[in-house]
Amino acid sequence: AQTVTQSQPEMSVQEAETVTLSCTYDTSESDYYLFWYKQPPSRQMILVIRQEAYKQQNATENRFSVNFQKAAKSFSLKISDSQLGDAAMYFCAYRAYYGGSQGNLIFGKGTKLSVKP
Amino acid sequence: GAVVSQHPSRVICKSGTSVKIECRSLDFQATTMFWYRQFPKQSLMLMATSNEGSKATYEQGVEKDKFLINHASLTLSTLTVTSAHPEDSSFYICSARGNLQAQETQYFGPGTRLLVL
Repeated sequence: AQTVTQSQPEMSVQEAETVTLSCTYDTSESDYYLFWYKQPPSRQMILVIRQEAYKQQNATENRFSVNFQKAAKSFSLKISDSQLGDAAMYFCAYRAYYGGSQGNLIFGKGTKLSVKP
Repeated sequence: GAVVSQHPSRVICKSGTSVKIECRSLDFQATTMFWYRQFPKQSLMLMATSNEGSKATYEQGVEKDKFLINHASLTLSTLTVTSAHPEDSSFYICSARGNLQAQETQYFGPGTRLLVL
């Protein structure tokens, strides 16, 4: 079975500082995608960043970057220069790719990030 | 990114009535739509997956006669909660995946908060 584990229910960071959210996953598939979604208090799910498993290079989107360690099945999210608007629930998600068809998104339990001014 | 709308954003109904929630993909054709349920401070729980023109595939434990899903077109899916009861009160989120970037990304609607009295 494929699982996603976020071991940090809550995290806190000072504004302008850097924070790293952890995520590990378990799968026997070789092709898959990994995602980080943000859910602010409005509860709108927003895609933060995406990583294809076949790519060795870590994905980066402005202040957001990932550390993808395929062998360790680890996919952490680093937020640099944290802003008050980054405060939200962050969900790590996994989706298998079966050669033309996509599996369903599997979510972790989430990490609630607080940003202190 | 692509836009998914949901209507209504909030609904309050009496026990025993039925409630319909609409989900639309506004700028892309959604070959697959998903319905999730989210309890407070928890992750998203997949209820069902639907492909346009086909019957929905329900996850284990989700009553298909209770939660009717219709994916009538490539831009519209509806979830009808039949004979709603207080325990059906929850936050319902739809999501859509289409022919964008080889179907890699799944976009989410803003959610519908259902309160059954």
